[in-house]
Amino acid sequence: AQSVSQHNHHVILSEAASLELGCNYSYGGTVNLFWYVQYPGQHLQLLLKYFSGDPLVKGIKGFEAEFIKSKFSFNLRKPSVQWSDTAEYFCAVNTDYKLSFGAGTTVTVRA
Amino acid sequence: KAGVTQTPRYLIKTRGQQVTLSCSPISGHRSVSWYQQTPGQGLQFLFEYFSETQRNKGNFPGRFSGRQFSNSRSEMNVSTLELGDSALYLCASSLAQVGDEQYFGPGTRLTVT
Repeated sequence: AQSVSQHNHHVILSEAASLELGCNYSYGGTVNLFWYVQYPGQHLQLLLKYFSGDPLVKGIKGFEAEFIKSKFSFNLRKPSVQWSDTAEYFCAVNTDYKLSFGAGTTVTVRA
Repeated sequence: KAGVTQTPRYLIKTRGQQVTLSCSPISGHRSVSWYQQTPGQGLQFLFEYFSETQRNKGNFPGRFSGRQFSNSRSEMNVSTLELGDSALYLCASSLAQVGDEQYFGPGTRLTVT
């Protein structure tokens, strides 16, 4: 069965710091990869997705992610975070009509 | 376009009762998926429906069931509620192809006492 691992449970940053969240998956076939974000009190929103092609994908709000097939990784990055990026971030793999999520990383940005 | 809507938003039930949750997908979306979110287990897949057919099912007991109607709206039912069923139940819709991005609703917060 496929699984998704997120390296960090909780990350605390200051504004303007750079953010990188790690994500690894275990699945041998073709995968579609996603990062979702859940802001406090809001529902899950799609940040970005990778289906094929350029392994560096750009999403909303200045986020980007890099797919490295040889490492089964799909890490999320943002060069300079803002207080409004405080949220929980989930990496997900879509196979067989279902999303398998990582445990999530809580990101707290201090003003 | 209106987003995914779920009703009710909050629900309190007692052990042993049953509950039905409803989900209306984004217009034009024919696939509906259900997920359970808890602090301990995170986000777990329950089932997915397309064209009134269940295409995939997660590892949940048979007390959890679902269905989809011809207008793509979906319901999930949990019978004989247990305390551990307390969770946020999320519905997501997509166009229908494998790998299509899923759009999530606000969820139904179920509390079992």
